Amino acid sequence: DAGVIQSPRHEVTEMGQEVTLRCKPISGHDYLFWYRQTMMRGLELLIYFNNNVPIDDSGMPEDRFSAKMPNASFSTLKIQPSEPRDSAVYFCASSLYRGLTYEQYFGPGTRLTVT
Amino acid sequence: GESVGLHLPTLSVQEGDNSIINCAYSNSASDYFIWYKQESGKGPQFIIDIRSNMDKRQGQRVTVLLNKTVKHLSLQIAATQPGDSAVYFCAEARYSSASKIIFGSGTRLSIRP
Repeated sequence: DAGVIQSPRHEVTEMGQEVTLRCKPISGHDYLFWYRQTMMRGLELLIYFNNNVPIDDSGMPEDRFSAKMPNASFSTLKIQPSEPRDSAVYFCASSLYRGLTYEQYFGPGTRLTVT
Repeated sequence: GESVGLHLPTLSVQEGDNSIINCAYSNSASDYFIWYKQESGKGPQFIIDIRSNMDKRQGQRVTVLLNKTVKHLSLQIAATQPGDSAVYFCAEARYSSASKIIFGSGTRLSIRP
């Protein structure tokens, strides 16, 4: 398996623009997670899905952020409008609960810079 | 690469020595704990986990110790190798909802040749 795939790997945009980050989870996994990593706040869970349904979005910072999972093989995280404080590395992860462990597999991340 | 260069506590270890990385967790209700490794430019990678009904769990070259009394977790790496250089995160969760894990701030492990 190719692992979790994220695109783009790098995104530079101007304040006010819409940004869409994409994720393809590992085939067969039923959980998908979006995280944000910054120097100040570390690694934060934004939202996660189970079987394409959003379960917990309490980590989404504000209404400018939205996430969708239209099918089991694709998810998006959208920021509209973007702000400089949104600059961070965004990770997508997926997992499949096998009865004993909740191992999450992370993608390589998308580095977002908002100027 | 996709790492953020966090200003983290750093543990410097001689190659071949054992490493011990410590972590204090905050939630007394947490009963599931995980260690992740993040190499420069990559996403975090699962290393080992432990449930609160255990005090110790061993993997390949790694051992996790859990002290629930003082809410302390440690990761021991035997015979540290250059490839062990990374940032290590402990994470906590409730096993009943273990999909939602809370990551700690991390420790950077540096290997001296």
